[in-house]
Amino acid sequence: NAGVTQTPKFRVLKTGQSMTLLCAQDMNHEYMYWYRQDPGMGLRLIHYSVGEGTTAKGEVPDGYNVSRLKKQNFLLGLESAAPSQTSVYFCASSSPTGTGQGETQYFGPGTRLLVL
Amino acid sequence: RKEVEQDPGPFNVPEGATVAFNCTYSNSASQSFFWYRQDCRKEPKLLMSVYSSGNEDGRFTAQLNRASQYISLLIRDSKLSDSATYLCVVILPYSGAGSYQLTFGKGTKLSVIP
Repeated sequence: NAGVTQTPKFRVLKTGQSMTLLCAQDMNHEYMYWYRQDPGMGLRLIHYSVGEGTTAKGEVPDGYNVSRLKKQNFLLGLESAAPSQTSVYFCASSSPTGTGQGETQYFGPGTRLLVL
Repeated sequence: RKEVEQDPGPFNVPEGATVAFNCTYSNSASQSFFWYRQDCRKEPKLLMSVYSSGNEDGRFTAQLNRASQYISLLIRDSKLSDSATYLCVVILPYSGAGSYQLTFGKGTKLSVIP
C-alpha cells in the first residue's frame, strides 16, 4: 500500500494564480483532512471530510476550497493564491475506531507551496 | 491560554541521556492524547497514544495528568535517531461533525548529539 500520497511535492505560484493539490489514500479511510504547517504556528486544519461528497471547514478555511468526489481522493483548491498561503500542506486520513476515542491520522509527505 | 502548549526547545542532549517533554492543554473535556514525531521536512507520524494509566513503549514513556491538564513524554537512553520534533496532540470533545479533530502543539525540537 502506498498509504497517503500528495501531488505535487513542490510548486511555485504567482499571486492570483490558481492551483489544485491532490491527496489520495488507498487505505479505504472514511475521513480525510487538509492541514497547513507554518514556522512557529504548528499544524492547522483547513478543511476536512467525513465521507464521500461531504466537506467541512476547519480552523483556517478562508481562501481554500475542497472537494471529495471519490472516497480515496481529497482535493484542495486555491482560486487566487496569495503570499500568505505560502506554506507546507499536509493531507491526512483516518477511519473511525468505534471506541469513542480519537482515531490515528496518517499523513501524506506534504506539498511545499511558494506564492510570490 | 492556547489550546495546546509545548516548550519549543530546542533540547540538545548527548546520546544516552534521558529527556522529558511536557505539554499542557486548556480544554478539560479533552478526550484523547497522542505524541507524534516529525522528522525534518517530513510528515508527522504517530509515536504513541497516551492513556490515563500511563504507557510505555521501549525507551518511551507517556503519562497523562488530567487534574493538571498536562501530558508528558520521557525518552530514555537517547539515540541519534531520536532527533526530531515531537508534537503533542489533543483530541477535542466530539463536536458532532462526524470526526474527532486533532489540535496540535507547535512541537518541541530534540537534537541528540554524539
